[in-house]
Amino acid sequence: EVQLVESGGGLVQPGGSLRLSCTASGFTFSSYWMTWVRQAPGKGLEWVANIKQDGSEKDYADSVKGRFTISRDNAKNSLYLQMNSLRAEDTAVYYCARGRTTGEYWGQGTLVTVSS
Amino acid sequence: QSVLTQPPSASGTPGQRVTISCSGSSSNIGSNTVTWYQQLPGTAPKLLIYSHNLRPSGVPDRFSGSKSGTSASLAISGLQSEDEADYYCAAWDDSLSVVLFGGGTKLTVL
Repeated sequence: EVQLVESGGGLVQPGGSLRLSCTASGFTFSSYWMTWVRQAPGKGLEWVANIKQDGSEKDYADSVKGRFTISRDNAKNSLYLQMNSLRAEDTAVYYCARGRTTGEYWGQGTLVTVSS
Repeated sequence: QSVLTQPPSASGTPGQRVTISCSGSSSNIGSNTVTWYQQLPGTAPKLLIYSHNLRPSGVPDRFSGSKSGTSASLAISGLQSEDEADYYCAAWDDSLSVVLFGGGTKLTVL
């Protein structure tokens, strides 16, 4: 059974940093593109970033480019999102998903709240 | 960057057929596959339709997708109360090199 479990969310002050993790199981993690998608409270889905199987290609939404970094550790079946210079508008539930342009499987999400 | 346009709401009665539209451009829907997601209240999104009209295993055949030019549609036939959810379309955009989501459509079963 495919499982994706996000962690690392929490409350952080504006300008602060946070690192999200997504642990995968039930499939060969190193064979798939992986993606981060977020959803602000009461709002729609927003694609954040994705990363190729070997980490050699990464794409970012303009809203996070230069502040967020997506990475992965295939030996640990883990996906990461390093978030720096956080802003109030980054407040959202962050989901990891398997796939590049199609989220075939999704985690349950982790809430990031940026507030003073 | 949400340049896929969906109606904010849709509704229907049990047993009815409803459609949800998703309008884009030549750089996204016009040249790439369309994906549809269903998000039930308080849960993570779930893949509903991919590659315009393919359903993952477990998704009832009441759900179908189509694409014409730079627009796509999701149709739900035999509407059921458990279909009440938010529905999102998505597609890769060649010009922006990003995945675009529609703003979402809240489906109400009356």
